[in-house]
Amino acid sequence: EVQLAESGGGLVQPGGSLRLSCAASGFTLATYAMSWVRQAPGKGLEWVSLISGVSGSTYYADSVKGRFTISRDTSKNTLNLQMNGLGAEDTAIYYCAKGAFAYISNFDNWGQGTLVTVSS
Amino acid sequence: DIQMTQSPASLSASVGDRVTITCRASQGISSHLAWYQQKPGKIPKLLIYAASTLQSGVPSRFSGGGSGTDFTLTISSLQPEDVATYYCQKYSSAPLTFGGGTKVEIK
Repeated sequence: EVQLAESGGGLVQPGGSLRLSCAASGFTLATYAMSWVRQAPGKGLEWVSLISGVSGSTYYADSVKGRFTISRDTSKNTLNLQMNGLGAEDTAIYYCAKGAFAYISNFDNWGQGTLVTVSS
Repeated sequence: DIQMTQSPASLSASVGDRVTITCRASQGISSHLAWYQQKPGKIPKLLIYAASTLQSGVPSRFSGGGSGTDFTLTISSLQPEDVATYYCQKYSSAPLTFGGGTKVEIK
């Protein structure tokens, strides 16, 4: 059974940094495209970043490019998101989502999410 | 970047009604479109991928159609458990843009 468990969320001051992790089980994370998707309070879904399976190519939404870095740890079967230069607009629940294939594809499994709050 | 526009933003219908949600891409995306359901307080769930392929376990009252720029999600007979917000998403290439969502309620 595929399971995704995010961690690392919390309260951070504007301009600060935070590192999110997503522990995967039931599949080998590096063989699938993996994404981070966020949802601000009361708002819709916003795709944030993707790392493709096998090749590890990375992609980012314009809103986070240059501030966020997606990566994976194959030894721990974990997906990471390093977030720097955080602002109030980054406040959201962050979900990790598994792609259906190694390349860019739809998301067939989602984690429960971790809440990031940026506030002074 | 390709924009995804959903309509309507919300709708209210009676149990048993046929409900259709529309998603329009600003450029052609072939059939690289998925639909997700997010119930209140829950995580998103994949309903349909490749524009019209039903995800395993999803009730057959849900169906998807379209290709290119215009897509639909249809619920053939609305049930109380279908109260949710529905999102389309393009995955032809990055960015993997979501539509703004359609909130479905029971009248």
